[in-house]
Amino acid sequence: EAGVAQSPRYKIIEKRQSVAFWCNPISGHATLYWYQQILGQGPKLLIQFQNNGVVDDSQLPKDRFSAERLKGVDSTLKIQPAKLEDSAVYLCASSLAVGGSPLHFGNGTRLTVT
Amino acid sequence: QKEVEQDPGPLSVPEGAIVSLNCTYSNSAFQYFMWYRQYSRKGPELLMYTYSSGNKEDGRFTAQVDKSSKYISLFIRDSQPSDSATYLCAMPSIGRTGNQFYFGTGTSLTVIP
Repeated sequence: EAGVAQSPRYKIIEKRQSVAFWCNPISGHATLYWYQQILGQGPKLLIQFQNNGVVDDSQLPKDRFSAERLKGVDSTLKIQPAKLEDSAVYLCASSLAVGGSPLHFGNGTRLTVT
Repeated sequence: QKEVEQDPGPLSVPEGAIVSLNCTYSNSAFQYFMWYRQYSRKGPELLMYTYSSGNKEDGRFTAQVDKSSKYISLFIRDSQPSDSATYLCAMPSIGRTGNQFYFGTGTSLTVIP
């Protein structure tokens, strides 16, 4: 079974620039999550999709972050404009839409904003 | 009070030691419990997945859940340098439109050869 694919693995940008991350979940996983992970902390949910609909985006800074999941498969997360405090690892995860199903994570995109 | 509490460590042990990693939680409705292992510059990898109370063993790893105390543990026997990683506990709140996951902050473990 292929895992969750993310790209790019690393990105360095200057503040106020824009950046986009891409995620391809495990085939058949209806639920897709984007998390932000700062060093030494657990993942923080940014947005959760069920198929192509948004379930929870309450912690997404909507003035600068946006995400979409077209056709209920791939997803992109965008930051525009980036701030220094956005430096973090952005993790994509997916799971089956069945109660208690675990998350499966990609390897993340490490973003550095200078 | 946070939903899930985890001692961040860091924890440093000699090779061959028994390691105990722990989390406490506040929501008695949690039914599923997961442990993830995260190596440096990698995403979290599902290590153990348990339902309700009791023990689950997989090789050198044992996951233990005590719902009455709202306490979960991960034991690593005969620890190896390759076990050096950050360990995250996680538990989902079940919803009709997908699960909402609550994570501990992670415990950093170093196994010294």
